[in-house]
Amino acid sequence: DAEITQSPRHKITETGRQVTLACHQTWNHNNMFWYRQDLGHGLRLIHYSYGVQDTNKGEVSDGYSVSRSNTEDLPLTLESAASSQTSVYFCASKDRVNTEAFFGQGTRLTVV
Amino acid sequence: AQKVTQAQTEISVVEKEDVTLDCVYETRDTTYYLFWYKQPPSGELVFLIRRNSFDEQNEISGRYSWNFQKSTSSFNFTITASQVVDSAVYFCALSEGDYKLSFGAGTTVTVRA
Repeated sequence: DAEITQSPRHKITETGRQVTLACHQTWNHNNMFWYRQDLGHGLRLIHYSYGVQDTNKGEVSDGYSVSRSNTEDLPLTLESAASSQTSVYFCASKDRVNTEAFFGQGTRLTVV
Repeated sequence: AQKVTQAQTEISVVEKEDVTLDCVYETRDTTYYLFWYKQPPSGELVFLIRRNSFDEQNEISGRYSWNFQKSTSSFNFTITASQVVDSAVYFCALSEGDYKLSFGAGTTVTVRA
């Protein structure tokens, strides 16, 4: 069965370190997204990609970057982790505009 | 500006009560899509329903029902005869013709036995 997986599921890192969260999907979807979930804010879009070599900023992109070298993967990098980036991160992929998004299991990141 | 508003932060009910979750959205597009997702305590996001802007027909799926009213820009969700397993955070989301989803802040539903 097709799926979307995130790794690691949990991570603790120190302020100032670079961190990369992995996202891998086997749906063969062109469209992939990274969201962060914080209490009171729901899910907010960080970055998204509509295909290989395409990346776009979402509403809360400062301090984050993504790259898309193939269809299956969209890694999210925190350039210099800050305590404000402590959150739960979700990766998602989507086929067409009128279909639902499929989400990974989430990564809980703690920056200390 | 917030595109999706879920005014209820938390709702607590006793088992077998009905519960309605409000969702109000804002868009200028004529073609758009609305979604509901459930996030149980285990943390994953579970897709519940999709509705496009041209289909105002209400939908029922078991104990779940959805009421879409374009006139009030609302897409409300009702759980009938709630059960403890319905305890979760529920998110309403909007897609405006691109592929991105804008989520509301979520409503936490607690069903007490």
